[in-house]
Amino acid sequence: DVKVTQSSRYLVKRTGEKVFLECVQDMDHENMFWYRQDPGLGLRLIYFSYDVKMKEKGDIPEGYSVSREKKERFSLILESASTNQTSMYLCASGRLRTDTQYFGPGTRLTVL
Amino acid sequence: GIQVEQSPPDLILQEGANSTLRCNFSDSVNNLQWFHQNPWGQLINLFYIPSGTKQNGRLSATTVATERYSLLYISSSQTTDSGVYFCAVLTGTASKLTFGTGTRLQVTL
Repeated sequence: DVKVTQSSRYLVKRTGEKVFLECVQDMDHENMFWYRQDPGLGLRLIYFSYDVKMKEKGDIPEGYSVSREKKERFSLILESASTNQTSMYLCASGRLRTDTQYFGPGTRLTVL
Repeated sequence: GIQVEQSPPDLILQEGANSTLRCNFSDSVNNLQWFHQNPWGQLINLFYIPSGTKQNGRLSATTVATERYSLLYISSSQTTDSGVYFCAVLTGTASKLTFGTGTRLQVTL
């Protein structure tokens, strides 16, 4: 079975802090994705990566950056957390552009 | 960009009932997936179905790509089926999925 893990289920941070969310997949997938999910807005893509050290902006990249130093790991970075970044963050991975995506359990981030 | 609409937005069923969830999309797609998000937030893959019909136990899905819609059938619903059901599509050369707004299902005893 494909396994996608995320570093924390729940996280509470203060405004202005630097926040790292980590995602690891064990299926040698080329593609990895970060989404955020908010009530009424559904899932929106923040960034994705189709190879090591490669990244592309999604629909809402502002205020975020990413890092992919190894194939299995994709990190989302909030350089200076703000209250409007309070959300559920979901990581996903997949093999090919048209292949299915598999999701991690999510990180519920609260920024105070 | 492509629009993905799901209906109904909310559905309440009694245990044992059947239901049909619909996903309409505004352009041709390379990939369509159905997901179930459980009450803990985990998104679980149900089907990868860009066209045709698939069945998995009490669930089945049909995508009619030429008419730009997909249906998810849930038969003999159980309380564990509660949660939000999303369809998501991938189009053209893009690598990203576009999600619908979901159908929230509640199955009661």
